[in-house]
Amino acid sequence: SAVISQKPSRDICQRGTSLTIQCQVDSQVTMMFWYRQQPGQSLTLIATANQGSEATYESGFVIDKFPISRPNLTFSTLTVSNMSPEDSSIYLCSVEWTEAFFGQGTRLTVV
Amino acid sequence: AQSVSQHNHHVILSEAASLELGCNYSYGGTVNLFWYVQYPGQHLQLLLKYFSGDPLVKGIKGFEAEFIKSKFSFNLRKPSVQWSDTAEYFCAVRGRDDKIIFGKGTRLHILP
Repeated sequence: SAVISQKPSRDICQRGTSLTIQCQVDSQVTMMFWYRQQPGQSLTLIATANQGSEATYESGFVIDKFPISRPNLTFSTLTVSNMSPEDSSIYLCSVEWTEAFFGQGTRLTVV
Repeated sequence: AQSVSQHNHHVILSEAASLELGCNYSYGGTVNLFWYVQYPGQHLQLLLKYFSGDPLVKGIKGFEAEFIKSKFSFNLRKPSVQWSDTAEYFCAVRGRDDKIIFGKGTRLHILP
């Protein structure tokens, strides 16, 4: 199993600004995953973050909007850039072994 | 593309009622199947999973799910629900590309 800590747990941001979400895992993992959960929607994979290489983005998500860092095997950040109200969502960090383990999520509201 | 469908978006039951939440997936190859639960104010956690073997899988808190390959289904069941089962339930599948795809979730509300 894994213990995943995300910060901040929630934030309210002005449109046009950026927010960086941090994810810390209590053990070393090769891949970390970032998801978005919009109201009434399923979890959607944004990107996979590998340590030492560029993140791999899913269709519909781009690096300029969601830059990701992965400086070591226990930590990653996701930045939501130039935010608009449509970015209001819960953002989740995850790691996987046989199943996925999740952080508590970051609830972002853009006003 | 792979997809996961959960038939019920919102379910309301009384305590002691039986529960079945439907889940169908679209991928025809070998799959790993999961049910996750998110209790109010808590993070997502695994209820149960199926990789291979006995298609009837038992999970935590009295939940079970049955994998029916011919129907591409993995329905979640519990014979007698409790108020503490109030939560949101997500079906998920890992197939091609090793990515986990989630359904839209079912909000379960148990009346005391």
